[in-house]
Amino acid sequence: AQSVTQLGSHVSVSEGALVLLRCNYSSSVPPYLFWYVQYPNQGLQLLLKYTTGATLVKGINGFEAEFKKSETSFHLTKPSAHMSDAAEYFCAVIIWGTSYGKLTFGQGTILTVHP
Amino acid sequence: DGGITQSPKYLFRKEGQNVTLSCEQNLNHDAMYWYRQDPGQGLRLIYYSQIVNDFQKGDIAEGYSVSREKKESFPLTVTSAQKNPTAFYLCASSIGAEHSYEQYFGPGTRLTVT
Repeated sequence: AQSVTQLGSHVSVSEGALVLLRCNYSSSVPPYLFWYVQYPNQGLQLLLKYTTGATLVKGINGFEAEFKKSETSFHLTKPSAHMSDAAEYFCAVIIWGTSYGKLTFGQGTILTVHP
Repeated sequence: DGGITQSPKYLFRKEGQNVTLSCEQNLNHDAMYWYRQDPGQGLRLIYYSQIVNDFQKGDIAEGYSVSREKKESFPLTVTSAQKNPTAFYLCASSIGAEHSYEQYFGPGTRLTVT
């Protein structure tokens, strides 16, 4: 079975500090991996995705993530946090069926940025 | 502007009543999805539809029903059989099932049942 685990339900950083949100997955086949961001009482917005090719993927708002097969990880980073980055972040993996791929989400990590 | 609309933003109902949540998209997407979000549990798939007049149960379909009579619309009914209906409900769409990883989300409806 495939699953996603986000380490840490809450992460707090200072403005300007490095952001690191951790995601590990389990998959019996090569995964597609995603990070979504959700602002309070809003829908989800895709930050970045890994499907195939380059393992370091860049997304919107200065975020990036690296697919590490040996560590089964897809951690999200940003060199310098901004107050506007405060939100909840979800890691997700696609589970492929016969013709349909189902997104399976992690539990979410709430990022707090303080001045 | 193309996108997904969900209405209303907030919905309040008494226990024992059925309630229908609206989801409309003008992206010309074939596939649509309903998720339920509870604090600390991520998103869980309720139902999905790959084409008009077809839909399948997701992981937590009990107590919910859907219809897909038009490509643009995928309403979700929360029935009185749903034991714990208070939650944040998100609708999403993708070009097709084969592109289900490129899902676009609506703004959500927060349902409170008392």
